[in-house]
Amino acid sequence: KAGVTQTPRYLIKTRGQQVTLSCSPISGHRSVSWYQQTPGQGLQFLFEYFSETQRNKGNFPGRFSGRQFSNSRSEMNVSTLELGDSALYLCASSLAGGNGYGYTFGSGTRLTVV
Amino acid sequence: GQQLNQSPQSMFIQEGEDVSMNCTSSSIFNTWLWYKQEPGEGPVLLIALYKAGELTSNGRLTAQFGITRKDSFLNISASIPSDVGIYFCAGFSYNNNDMRFGAGTRLTVKP
Repeated sequence: KAGVTQTPRYLIKTRGQQVTLSCSPISGHRSVSWYQQTPGQGLQFLFEYFSETQRNKGNFPGRFSGRQFSNSRSEMNVSTLELGDSALYLCASSLAGGNGYGYTFGSGTRLTVV
Repeated sequence: GQQLNQSPQSMFIQEGEDVSMNCTSSSIFNTWLWYKQEPGEGPVLLIALYKAGELTSNGRLTAQFGITRKDSFLNISASIPSDVGIYFCAGFSYNNNDMRFGAGTRLTVKP
């Protein structure tokens, strides 16, 4: 069974640009959560999507947005990139979200903003 | 928001030694989880705990869900070099319906 696939693995962008990251969950999983990981802040929750609807959102500015498609694949978008957006972005999929059981993480997309 | 305080931040131990790390919070969680992350990869779930007081083992790993539901610990017995990585605690609350992570404990095992 294929795991959670995140693309691209690495990305370099310039300040002010926008970026779109993709996450393909495990087949059958309907919940996708996104996290930002930085050395200073650890893993910070961005948002969760379930059945194409954003079910929960963390404390990030509106420049961070996401969506989920009917096949459960999810994308997150960051507009007007800032240097501080440099981080490892992780997505986690699960059957239905809920109590945290069965969250499987992808390997992440490492974004560098220069 | 809910904050998880994980300690220690890092540990340098000799192969064969036991390891203990813990997480505390000012808020109650319904689920406590422990993950391990290796370089270049996402976190991998090690142990999940669902009931206050629950003690669960996974091989050389043992974790407990604190009675107050505000803390959890993870023990690793007889450490080996492949235990190297960053260990994260995570708490899930039905109130917020999201998972919060501790800052991680970086474990180094010297052969």
